[in-house]
This record gives sequence, C-alpha cells and structure tokens, in this order.
Amino acid sequence: GQNIDQPTEMTATEGAIVQINCTYQTSGFNGLFWYQQHAGEAPTFLSYNVLDGLEEKGRFSSFLSRSKGYSYLLLKELQMKDSASYLCAVSTSGTYKYIFGTGTRLKVLA
Amino acid sequence: GAGVSQSPSNKVTEKGKDVELRCDPISGHTALYWYRQRLGQGLEFLIYFQGNSAPDKSGLPSDRFSAERTGESVSTLTIQRTQQEDSAVYLCASSLALIGNTIYFGEGSWLTVV
Repeated sequence: GQNIDQPTEMTATEGAIVQINCTYQTSGFNGLFWYQQHAGEAPTFLSYNVLDGLEEKGRFSSFLSRSKGYSYLLLKELQMKDSASYLCAVSTSGTYKYIFGTGTRLKVLA
Repeated sequence: GAGVSQSPSNKVTEKGKDVELRCDPISGHTALYWYRQRLGQGLEFLIYFQGNSAPDKSGLPSDRFSAERTGESVSTLTIQRTQQEDSAVYLCASSLALIGNTIYFGEGSWLTVV
C-alpha cells in the first residue's frame, strides 16, 4: 500500500526553529513536495526534492533521504504567519498522481 | 487563465440532491486532479486526468461520484444523491505533465450537505 506519515500537530515559539518530519512508503518515487495551507485556503507550493540532500529557500529548507523514505521541512525564524498546516506529498512513479499526507498543523506562539 | 478557477465557491445542498462542481485549470496544463478535504483532515485523492488518456478514477469513494473533462480544459465533478458525509471542500489542481512538476490548486468548492 501507499502511506505517508506526518505528526498531527506541533507548537513552536516565534523566532524559533521547527522541523516537521514526513515518512513515506509508496510504489515508486518521482519526488516529494511540501505545501503550506492556511485555514480555509488552498495549499500553496513550498518545496520539491527528488535527489537526496537539503534544498534551501530562504527561511524554509527541505531534506530528503530516499533510502530511508524520509523528509523534513525546516522552518527558521518562525513568524506568526507561519501558523498553518504543512502537507507532505509524494509523486509516485508511472503516474503523475500525488499522494498527500494528512498534514501537520503548526501553531506559532508569541 | 492566470490560476485554477473553481465554482461555486460555496454550495449548500439538501441531502439526496445532485451537485456539480466545476474546475477551469491553468491554460496549457494537461494534468488535472480532484481532491477532497474534510474539515481538519488531509487531502484525499479522487480522480486524475491526463490529456486524452483514460482517467485514474481509483480514488472515487462510491459510484455516486463521477467526473468528466472536456479535452484539456474544464472539468466537472458530479456527486449524485448527496449524503452528509460528502460535506467537505473539493479542491481541483492542475499541472504540466512533467515528472516533478508542481501542481497548483484552486480555492476549492466548499460543499455542505444538510
């Protein structure tokens, strides 16, 4: 079967660093995506990893280990506006179907 | 268009009625996806269209759900004989048919079945 696991909720303090983990078991792999979704809004693209290693984009970084079926999203210098759900999604091989995890709700406290 | 457009944005319907949700993808995007998201939950894959290929319907939860797409443009998701458990936001997304290409979401159609 296909499975993507993320923690349900996390809480962090403004200005801190938080790491959101994602593990996956899928039939093939064409890449892993992270999306941000504010309450009541559509998901928006944050990052894409297809090779092992760290991709950095401003305050956000994403890491991938294909052999471990593991990724994390690192958010630095947290701001209140970062309070949102963070969705991990895998593109499976042989198809362009994207499988999403249930998302991690991040609360940033002042 | 500039982005993925969905209509209606909100729909309240009585149990047992049929509803149609519409999605207009980004121009040039050959891949189109429908997802369902219940309140506080993750995205549940429903159906995927790619060009003229047969759609991947593996995520449709029951035969009350169906979707069509005209060529590489507009798609409609139809739910027949709606039930209260169908209440959710239905998100449409589109992308170029390239491996690793980002999918872009519409604002969603919020369906409430009363």
